[in-house]
Amino acid sequence: EPEVTQTPSHQVTQMGQEVILRCVPISNHLYFYWYRQILGQKVEFLVSFYNNEISEKSEIFDDQFSVERPDGSNFTLKIRSTKLEDSAMYFCASSPALGTKKETQYFGPGTRLLVL
Amino acid sequence: DQQVKQNSPSLSVQEGRISILNCDYTNSMFDYFLWYKKYPAEGPTFLISISSIKDKNEDGRFTVFLNKSAKHLSLHIVPSQPGDSAVYFCAASNAGNNRKLIWGLGTSLAVNP
Repeated sequence: EPEVTQTPSHQVTQMGQEVILRCVPISNHLYFYWYRQILGQKVEFLVSFYNNEISEKSEIFDDQFSVERPDGSNFTLKIRSTKLEDSAMYFCASSPALGTKKETQYFGPGTRLLVL
Repeated sequence: DQQVKQNSPSLSVQEGRISILNCDYTNSMFDYFLWYKKYPAEGPTFLISISSIKDKNEDGRFTVFLNKSAKHLSLHIVPSQPGDSAVYFCAASNAGNNRKLIWGLGTSLAVNP
């Protein structure tokens, strides 16, 4: 069964450094999302992406964050200058545009980001 | 942001019995509800969903019930199995907000052999 993959599984970085989190969504999906979960807190929406542009972003997704689909398969989240409070589990998700499951988002295994 | 609430942080059930996980929401604009299951160090796995035009959806051992007037949904697992032990998240979305999911805090289910 096709699945969403994410790399790396863990990332440790120094405050102020740039990180890029990578995702390969399910191949025929057209909607892509990033969420994060800070330890002990709710899963939070960051951004949705469709047709090569951001369709919605949360207030968390400030100028330090950006997303890109550099080729036909990868979907990346970049944090330009990491802060301590960016430490979280980051999940990528994708959903199809059509069909009975178009509202269902399928998630990757996550990247655990630790900012020191 | 308390639009989706799971008021029970944990639940313990005997193998073979029914597990009932509850979820409440406040936003009447939600039109789609999903349950995800999550094991430690893994991503959420989609379990079952329900559209707001229905009041029940069943898939094998899993049934989701929606009570729109009470803004309440529940997930029933019967019979419960030890492999069902995980954290269960309720999430909601609406077509008007690009389908972003709003999540509950989760309920940790332990199914005891």
